[in-house]
Amino acid sequence: GENVEQHPSTLSVQEGDSAVIKCTYSDSASNYFPWYKQELGKRPQLIIDIRSNVGEKKDQRIAVTLNKTAKHFSLHITETQPEDSAVYFCAASHRDDYKLSFGAGTTVTVRA
Amino acid sequence: NAGVTQTPKFQVLKTGQSMTLQCAQDMNHNSMYWYRQDPGMGLRLIYYSASEGTTDKGEVPNGYNVSRLNKREFSLRLESAAPSQTSVYFCASNQDFGNGTRLTVT
Repeated sequence: GENVEQHPSTLSVQEGDSAVIKCTYSDSASNYFPWYKQELGKRPQLIIDIRSNVGEKKDQRIAVTLNKTAKHFSLHITETQPEDSAVYFCAASHRDDYKLSFGAGTTVTVRA
Repeated sequence: NAGVTQTPKFQVLKTGQSMTLQCAQDMNHNSMYWYRQDPGMGLRLIYYSASEGTTDKGEVPNGYNVSRLNKREFSLRLESAAPSQTSVYFCASNQDFGNGTRLTVT
């Protein structure tokens, strides 16, 4: 099955700086890569996703890049704000279903 | 449009007791999923249903059963709860998650 590894496990950044989280996956058939944000005690919420036919996707301060040859993808958050503090999860699946294999998560803390 | 609705929000069971976690979605999605979330391990897929009438095992199915009652509803049953099943359980419909059920087994 798919194995997704996520790094780092914790990340502390100064408000206004950028944060980068990296994930690798093992199954070359995976072609859908979502990112979720989970605040304490809440459900995971989809913040951005990318499919294998594109290399980069951006939504305001959030961007995701995908390198299918190397089997890794990354989340970039620019101009971080205190409300960006949360646990972020990467995941991977095949396009025709949403059987997601998750990374272990990154706890992001934005220092004011 | 409520999205994905799970009940109950919290539950405490004694070892050996049984219970069913309920999940319903109103987005007309074909696929539904049950995950468990444990500290430091992300979310792991327990069972999924690609369409009404079909169910399949995920990564950690042992100790669980599921029923896809109709297109809207997908339930997860613990027949004989064990302390190792203490976890937060999330139901999902496509990429959308419910609010979770926090289960403690003593």
